[in-house]
Amino acid sequence: KQEVTQIPAALSVPEGENLVLNCSFTDSAIYNLQWFRQDPGKGLTSLLLIQSSQREQTSGRLNASLDKSSGRSTLYIAASQPGDSATYLCAVHSGGGADGLTFGKGTHLIIQP
Amino acid sequence: DGGITQSPKYLFRKEGQNVTLSCEQNLNHDAMYWYRQDPGQGLRLIYYSQIVNDFQKGDIAEGYSVSREKKESFPLTVTSAQKNPTAFYLCATESKGRNLGKHFGDGTRLSIL
Repeated sequence: KQEVTQIPAALSVPEGENLVLNCSFTDSAIYNLQWFRQDPGKGLTSLLLIQSSQREQTSGRLNASLDKSSGRSTLYIAASQPGDSATYLCAVHSGGGADGLTFGKGTHLIIQP
Repeated sequence: DGGITQSPKYLFRKEGQNVTLSCEQNLNHDAMYWYRQDPGQGLRLIYYSQIVNDFQKGDIAEGYSVSREKKESFPLTVTSAQKNPTAFYLCATESKGRNLGKHFGDGTRLSIL
């Protein structure tokens, strides 16, 4: 059974810093991995989707990498801003289960102005 | 996501009452999903539907029911049998092939009166 772990559970950094959020998974046989952002009381907004054949994806100040063999993905946020404050969720699509998706519990990020 | 509309945003249930959460999509996606989100537990799958007139139980289906009479709509009923319904409910969609990632609505928060 796929298990997804996100570290750290919470992170607080000053504005302007570059930071890395981590996601690890136990079964490397995956189809893709998706990073989401969730603001308080809101739904999930998809940030980046990495297919199993890809090593990384970039969107603006965000860069997500995938290392299937080691069961790891990182989300890099450059030049952080207060508006980046949110919970970031990692979801691994491995085909198991009804929806094939296993979510991590998220990293709660606070960017201090 | 603008293509998925969940309503209402907030819902209150009296004891013994059934309530229905609406999820409508205009993305023309075949698959639709209902998740429950509780603090510290991540997302858990309640029900899903891959095509019209067909749906399957997820990991925590007890006390819930769904229908899929139209491609655009996948309502979730929280029945009186669900003894702990207080949670944030998220609807998601996915295109055929499951390789383009999931899209989420803005959620409905259900509370007990």
